[in-house]
Amino acid sequence: EIVMTQSPAALSLSAGDRATLSCRASQSVSSNLAWYQQKPGQAPRLLIYAVSTRATGIPARFSGSGSGTEFTLTISSLQSEDFAVYYCQQYNNWPPWTFGQGTKVEVK
Amino acid sequence: EVQLVQSGAEVRKPGESLKISCKGSGYSFTKYWVGWVRQMPGKGLEYMGIIYPGDSDTRYSPSFQGQVTISADESINTAYLQWSSLKASDTAMYYCAKSAIMSAAGPFDYWGQGTLVTVSS
Repeated sequence: EIVMTQSPAALSLSAGDRATLSCRASQSVSSNLAWYQQKPGQAPRLLIYAVSTRATGIPARFSGSGSGTEFTLTISSLQSEDFAVYYCQQYNNWPPWTFGQGTKVEVK
Repeated sequence: EVQLVQSGAEVRKPGESLKISCKGSGYSFTKYWVGWVRQMPGKGLEYMGIIYPGDSDTRYSPSFQGQVTISADESINTAYLQWSSLKASDTAMYYCAKSAIMSAAGPFDYWGQGTLVTVSS
């Protein structure tokens, strides 16, 4: 099973700041990497798939990069609605498609 | 509009059985994989398994193999997750979600609202 490790576990930032979230895979997942956002009491929402493709309706301030085993989600300028938990997920090696443990972006 | 609507919250005792549902609409239900994800209280997301409603091909995460059964009824566009004997450790929110890629088990682009399952004596 591929293990996805996210860092940091929590990020304390202010609105307008740039957020950089990391995700590392225990082995290569090629370009089969997605990012999700989850707010309290809500289902996760797909932000990015195939490393860098934004899902429908996702603002351009969200961007993804990386390849192989190292990936990054960048939020260029945090808005109030972006404070949430973010998960990466690989869908390259089954079983299963694994999630990272999450990074909480919180208000500083 | 694509929607996945899950059945309501459930409270059960240890040892009881349970089947929860996820009804898809607004897309071709038989052509996209549907998965189930567990989220225990205050914890992260865990991939349980996935089913292709078109032919009921089902894959389980090793952690959940033998613990749950995933099924689908294409005639009513509904996927199911069931337990034969619940444990207290099954207490969690369960989400269904639809694969973003037709005929491939990829990332999930639409999610149900979640079903909270509470198992307590």
